[in-house]
Amino acid sequence: GNSVTQMEGPVTLSEEAFLTINCTYTATGYPSLFWYVQYPGEGLQLLLKATKADDKGSNKGFEATYRKETTSFHLEKGSVQVSDSAVYFCALSGATNKLIFGTGTLLAVQP
Amino acid sequence: EAGVAQSPRYKIIEKRQSVAFWCNPISGHATLYWYQQILGQGPKLLIQFQNNGVVDDSQLPKDRFSAERLKGVDSTLKIQPAKLEDSAVYLCASSLGGQGSEKLFFGSGTQLSVL
Repeated sequence: GNSVTQMEGPVTLSEEAFLTINCTYTATGYPSLFWYVQYPGEGLQLLLKATKADDKGSNKGFEATYRKETTSFHLEKGSVQVSDSAVYFCALSGATNKLIFGTGTLLAVQP
Repeated sequence: EAGVAQSPRYKIIEKRQSVAFWCNPISGHATLYWYQQILGQGPKLLIQFQNNGVVDDSQLPKDRFSAERLKGVDSTLKIQPAKLEDSAVYLCASSLGGQGSEKLFFGSGTQLSVL
């Protein structure tokens, strides 16, 4: 069945450091790929998405590219801020919009 | 625009008791989802409704969990009787049409502790 594997946390970085959170997936067909973010005390919200191979999703300085050849959707940001501290979830969705999530990666950015 | 509303925010019960959670999706959203998020894990889909019909309930423990979506709007998720392993955050989400690439809007969740 479909599944998502993402790197375990916590990831601790200093402000302005480069961020990569790895995500790989297993799926039949051509799923859509997502990154959702959960800020402290808030609900999950969509950060970015990509719906086909080689698409790049971007938002708030974050980027992720849909790589079908490596079945990956790694999240990157060139310069993190303290306000980026949150839990990040990689997810995929098939035709029925059933979202399957990874286990989440806690990011802590220190000033 | 109002978001997905859930209540209660927190609930503490003893094992074998029953509990119910309520969700009001975003107005006009046809698809409603209930997810269970156990501490340290990603959310797991329990049930998906399209209007008031069930699309997917393959991971709903039907011996103790039930859900309904009357009139295709609000939804209630019930657990009876609760077990210790049901301690989790229960998330409700909605989307416009239920297509594979759609954005889901999540509520803040109900945190359940079963003692």
